[in-house]
This record gives sequence, C-alpha cells and structure tokens, in this order.
Amino acid sequence: KNEVEQSPQNLTAQEGEFITINCSYSVGISALHWLQQHPGGGIVSLFMLSSGKKKHGRLIATINIQEKHSSLHITASHPRDSAVYICAALGSSNYKLTFGKGTLLTVNP
Amino acid sequence: ETGVTQTPRHLVMGMTNKKSLKCEQHLGHNAMYWYKQSAKKPLELMFVYSLEERVENNSVPSRFSPECPNSSHLFLHLHTLQPEDSALYLCASSQELFYEQYFGPGTRLTVT
Repeated sequence: KNEVEQSPQNLTAQEGEFITINCSYSVGISALHWLQQHPGGGIVSLFMLSSGKKKHGRLIATINIQEKHSSLHITASHPRDSAVYICAALGSSNYKLTFGKGTLLTVNP
Repeated sequence: ETGVTQTPRHLVMGMTNKKSLKCEQHLGHNAMYWYKQSAKKPLELMFVYSLEERVENNSVPSRFSPECPNSSHLFLHLHTLQPEDSALYLCASSQELFYEQYFGPGTRLTVT
C-alpha cells in the first residue's frame, strides 16, 4: 500500500466546473508537493506547502496536518488544465519523498 | 522552458550497451535529482545531490550510476540495463534540498 493515496484516480469535468483532487498520507511530513504533468511528460511544480493554504491564480492548495490530508482545487476549470496531478509527501524524519499515483484530469469544452 | 535541460530526449539501447544521460540546470540551484517514471507506476526518486554530494540513494540497482561533477550538471550512467528499465527518466533541480523543484523534459529510454 502506497503511503500516499490520491483520489479520484480519474476525473472528467466540463469547462468551468470547480475541481477538487485529494491526497492522503500516512506518515509525518515536513512538506507536501503538488505537481502537474502534461501528456508530453513535462512536469511543473505547482505548490509546496507545510501548513494552511496557498493560491496561484485559479489553483488553490490546502493542507490539514492533523488529518494528514491535502486538497488541490481548480476554479473555473479549462481544457488546458487537463493533465495528471501528482502529490508527493516529504517525510519529516528522513529525506524520503513518496509520490501518489496521480489523478488524471480531463476537462471537456 | 524551466531552465533544466536533458539530453538525449530519446534513447534506444541494447542490454549490453553503455550510455549516459545528461542534465544541466541554468538556475543556480544547489540540489539536483534523478527520477524514474514507468508506465502505470508512481514517480520514483532515484538519486538526490545537494552541493554535489549524494544525499539519497533509494535502493537503485548498481547498473545505474549517478555523477554530479558540479552544481549545474548531473549525469546518469547506464550499463547492462534490462528491458524493465525502459521508462521516462526525469531530472529536476531546486534552490535548496527538497524545495520547489524544476523538472527537465525527460529522456524516454527504451532498452531492447
């Protein structure tokens, strides 16, 4: 069982919808990363957070340390948001970076 | 364009070949990483370098050998690979260890 679980695995939405992707982890962490991977393979780091909430444009990431849970929200989704979204937890006691399996998001026009 | 380049972008090699993957970052970062991404599997962190010293080796087989000659360059030397090593190999860098990472485009490796 992966120490980092993402849900859903696949998500299809209509343009304009509000999207939520969830990430749960089972270990103590010092930080959590959210990444975006487009079909060509390129990966972009979206957020690194260790508490609270961060916002970049239409993207919002939140983390609840007590509940060991993070969410990535996309407001007013657009077809160009279609990608795989990956969360990764950095263990607080070592340098172990554990990745979730990713959530494939498809936004239809 | 993230400031991290990788060459080659595609590589096909036989099991007896020796090849090297190259990564270069133009961002002045102190940490560099090698990742493996196989089909249907999560990203796997292979090696981590901070200030040219290796700080992480996640039980990677010895047929993969990293080299970090300076803070801007990272190599992954490959020898006697297996077909299951076929994957996308990604390099990344960050300002400090495990801070926000900037990824290269990856090398698609096929072992025949």
